[in-house]
Amino acid sequence: GENVEQHPSTLSVQEGDSAVIKCTYSDSASNYFPWYKQELGKRPQLIIDIRSNVGEKKDQRIAVTLNKTAKHFSLHITETQPEDSAVYFCAAKGNNDMRFGAGTRLTVKP
Amino acid sequence: ETGVTQTPRHLVMGMTNKKSLKCEQHLGHNAMYWYKQSAKKPLELMFVYNFKEQTENNSVPSRFSPECPNSSHLFLHLHTLQPEDSALYLCASSREDGPNTEAFFGQGTRLTVV
Repeated sequence: GENVEQHPSTLSVQEGDSAVIKCTYSDSASNYFPWYKQELGKRPQLIIDIRSNVGEKKDQRIAVTLNKTAKHFSLHITETQPEDSAVYFCAAKGNNDMRFGAGTRLTVKP
Repeated sequence: ETGVTQTPRHLVMGMTNKKSLKCEQHLGHNAMYWYKQSAKKPLELMFVYNFKEQTENNSVPSRFSPECPNSSHLFLHLHTLQPEDSALYLCASSREDGPNTEAFFGQGTRLTVV
């Protein structure tokens, strides 16, 4: 089955700096890669996703990149703000269940 | 609100109790999932139902018993739990159990086993 690894487990940045979270996956059949943000005490919510037919997708301050050959994908947050502080999960999905990474706790210091 | 509702939000139960968690969605989704989230592990898939049929059971102990009476409702029956089962239990649903499908999560049930 699919195995998703996520790094780093914790990340602390200064407000205005960029943050990068990286994930690798093992199943070459995976073709859908969502990113979820989970604020304290709340449910995970989708913030951006990418499908295997594209290499990059951007939505305002958030971007994701995908390298299918190397089986890794990354989340980039630019101009970070304190409200970006949360746990971020990457995931990979093929024809079966969605597997999540271990999560990255991002702290943005004002 | 994502359209996925879980009850109860919090549950404290003894190791000899029997309780059930409920998940409900009216998004027209036909795949529903139970995940366990604890401090030690990431989002851990427990069960998957696709069109009311269980398609995945990731080696979950038999003290957890899922039930999916229709595509809108999902239950997790609990009995003889252990303290290490204390965690946040999240339900999710998606349009189909295939590729390219976003999962919508409920708010979760915070379970404490005493």
